[in-house]
Amino acid sequence: SYVLTQPPSVSVAPGKTARITCGGNRIGSRSVHWYQQRPGQAPVLLIYYDGDRPSGIPERFSGSNSGNTATLTISRVEAGDEADYYCHVGDTSSDQTVFGGGTKLTVL
Amino acid sequence: EVQLVESGGGLVQPGGSLKLSCAASGFNFDDYAMHWVRQVPGKGLEWVSGITWESNSVGFAESVRGRFTISRDNAKNSLYLQMDRLRPEDTALYYCAKVMDGLGSYMGAFDLWGQGTPVTVAS
Repeated sequence: SYVLTQPPSVSVAPGKTARITCGGNRIGSRSVHWYQQRPGQAPVLLIYYDGDRPSGIPERFSGSNSGNTATLTISRVEAGDEADYYCHVGDTSSDQTVFGGGTKLTVL
Repeated sequence: EVQLVESGGGLVQPGGSLKLSCAASGFNFDDYAMHWVRQVPGKGLEWVSGITWESNSVGFAESVRGRFTISRDNAKNSLYLQMDRLRPEDTALYYCAKVMDGLGSYMGAFDLWGQGTPVTVAS
């Protein structure tokens, strides 16, 4: 089955830019979705179809996808952005949908 | 209010069965594919199973294929997960989730999640 690889952790200072990657074979040919999960809460959709934001998600959150890497970019990081972030794609060849292992964002 | 509410979790012995339910409200349930996703406390998200809006296509993770069955009752706005031959490694919080795209496949983004129901498989 298709495998998505995320770094276990990313650290960033407040006000700086965080980039969380999601690696997969030719992931650029797939649609990637991103979720934020705060401790004790259900995941929340942040980015869908590579770079679109649901209503209510700040413009500080953006996504890109090309080649073998998709990237979630968080600009002007705030303390409240500290959470786990997951990438997600569908694999039509196996009729399965797959999550990355998750990245814990720490705001220093 | 647009929401998903899971129920049916609990403690079950290895080899036992459990049926989870997910009650949907606030949207046209029968227009959307639905999924189950689980999460071991402190670990990542794991997709379990999905079903199209008209139940004509379903999918399962390899870890549960042949043991779990997904179904839905659009008249009752409900999604189900029948879990048989449960194993300790099935212990997790089980979420139901709605696909964002209506009347499509189950491959889209998940734009609505419930709060989860916990399942513990232990003797």
